[in-house]
This record gives sequence, structure tokens and C-alpha cells, in this order.
Amino acid sequence: SQQGEEDPQALSIQEGENATMNCSYKTSINNLQWYRQNSGRGLVHLILIRSNEREKHSGRLRVTLDTSKKSSSLLITASRAADTASYFCATDKSGSRLTFGEGTQLTVNP
Amino acid sequence: GAVVSQHPSWVICKSGTSVKIECRSLDFQATTMFWYRQFPKQSLMLMATSNEGSKATYEQGVEKDKFLINHASLTLSTLTVTSAHPEDSSFYICSELRGAENEQFFGPGTRLTVL
Repeated sequence: SQQGEEDPQALSIQEGENATMNCSYKTSINNLQWYRQNSGRGLVHLILIRSNEREKHSGRLRVTLDTSKKSSSLLITASRAADTASYFCATDKSGSRLTFGEGTQLTVNP
Repeated sequence: GAVVSQHPSWVICKSGTSVKIECRSLDFQATTMFWYRQFPKQSLMLMATSNEGSKATYEQGVEKDKFLINHASLTLSTLTVTSAHPEDSSFYICSELRGAENEQFFGPGTRLTVL
């Protein structure tokens, strides 16, 4: 069964706005990872945050992790039309086997 | 550039036939690879963990006799969908495990359509 749940399922914003996506999970984890998937393509690894970290940045991406609430958020600042994609969180409980969330479909309108 | 390739990128076959999908690591000796399946507008579901030189480890509910995995070398894992049926139509994606933080790098996926 899927561990991760993401909200919103779909998000539509204008270019230049910020996009925030949330992910919740149920059990303890080693780390949480965010991936991006363009339609019909493979996944691109965006960022990994360890269970003992609370916040991480990479370019226009900011990820937070709250292990007490078992939740994470992905913020994309100053969005671009090229950011349009599906975004998935994935939790690594053990053995590097990932459990993916349901994903958020982000549409950035030019 | 891409670090994992998959072949073919798409395949259409008749019901009852078998289809082999290759996953190649382009610049890394991958001891461990993973196979996922993704139905339209859904998330990825882990099917199995492919270990070089040993038997694959299948997730609960995945039939090992239907989805044959072979990881005979450090750069190649194959997934064979045997006696494919229309319900096996899906997007199959492999990944390899690498790096100090065990990041996964994904292939571009294979779209399987069974008529």
C-alpha cells in the first residue's frame, strides 16, 4: 500500500508565483526524497532530506521535514512554465526501497 | 546526461506473448536495481529489487513467475513480462542505486501496451 499521501493532487499557478506541495507518511523513515516526472517520462531526483534534517535548499527548491508530524513540503519559488510536471515524494524506510506518494500535478501557466 | 537507459522505450504486443525490457547502467556498476510499475495518472509501485548475481526480491503481490528478473551483470538488469495480458499494460521504470546517500537514478521508462 502507498505510504505517502500528497496534497494537493493538482495545482495550477501563474509563472512567477510560488508552488507548495505537501507530503505525509505513516511510519518512521531514514530519509525522504522528492522527484519530478514529466508526462510519460522517467523520474528526476530533486532533493533528499535525511530524517535528522529539518530544511534543505537547492536552487529554487526548498524542502522541509517534520518528523513529529510525519510530513514534508516542497516549495518551488519563482515558478516557470518549464516546472510543469508531476512531483512525487518518496520515503526510504530501510534497504533503500522507496515508497512513493500519489503525486501532485503542477501546472505553471505562462 | 542520462545515467540509466531502458530499451525499448515503448512496445506493443499481442496477448499471450512475452516481452523483455532492458535496463542498463551507463556509467556505474550497479549491484542493486529496482523495477517499478506505474499505471496512468497513478504513482510508482515497487515491483522488485534486482540484485546482481542473485535472485530478485519481489514485493508482496507481485508474481515472480510472471515478471522474470535477471541481473546477470553489473550494468544490465532485464524484466520479462511472460504471457502478457491487457491488464499488464503499464509504464515500467527501472532505477539504480548509487552514491553515499543511496540515491536512486531512474531510467526513462518503457510503455507496454498489450492488445
